[in-house]
Amino acid sequence: QQQVKQSPQSLIVQKGGISIINCAYENTAFDYFPWYQQFPGKGPALLIAIRPDVSEKKEGRFTISFNKSAKQFSLHIMDSQPGDSATYFCAAGGEYGNKLVFGAGTILRVKS
Amino acid sequence: KAGVTQTPRYLIKTRGQQVTLSCSPISGHRSVSWYQQTPGQGLQFLFEYFSETQRNKGNFPGRFSGRQFSNSRSEMNVSTLELGDSALYLCASSPTGTGKQETQYFGPGTRLLVL
Repeated sequence: QQQVKQSPQSLIVQKGGISIINCAYENTAFDYFPWYQQFPGKGPALLIAIRPDVSEKKEGRFTISFNKSAKQFSLHIMDSQPGDSATYFCAAGGEYGNKLVFGAGTILRVKS
Repeated sequence: KAGVTQTPRYLIKTRGQQVTLSCSPISGHRSVSWYQQTPGQGLQFLFEYFSETQRNKGNFPGRFSGRQFSNSRSEMNVSTLELGDSALYLCASSPTGTGKQETQYFGPGTRLLVL
């Protein structure tokens, strides 16, 4: 019930392309779904987050799509750039307090 | 505003020793959570502190403990270190700790190596 499954494990995209990372969760008590970006040697940095009352949220080149009935959410990175090369984590929270359950991560490489 | 700070950034210990890691949250933030990050297990929640009380606990043995001070700064302690405790330990702070999941801001982490 605590799992968040993330795919793919790694992704190579051409510069200017669209990067898509998917996550699925099981626990229906989750009501907060953030995406974090992590560079080597750094802590995760919040990219964008969504709550289940909306199906999509866009911030700049980053969009979260959320499907409550399927218990799935995804991150789309439009016009991917080499500087986007990093590890991306989806997460879920909301049972009580500040406790996030993370997906396994996706290593994104954007080729120039 | 300064971000979450963690000290030390790097640490080398031997098996059986104990270690204390420190975290200073963003000014005004009252909730502090700790996570362990390893290549094999990924990012796993350790515990959360709010108002000097542990509010949430992950599935880690009792060797892992923590505390929070009145200024919201937090420490975590690992006793009787094992090789498998080698990891990046991340601290995250949240604004109000209202009880509902809030945005968590992560520090740079403390890299612990157990030999």
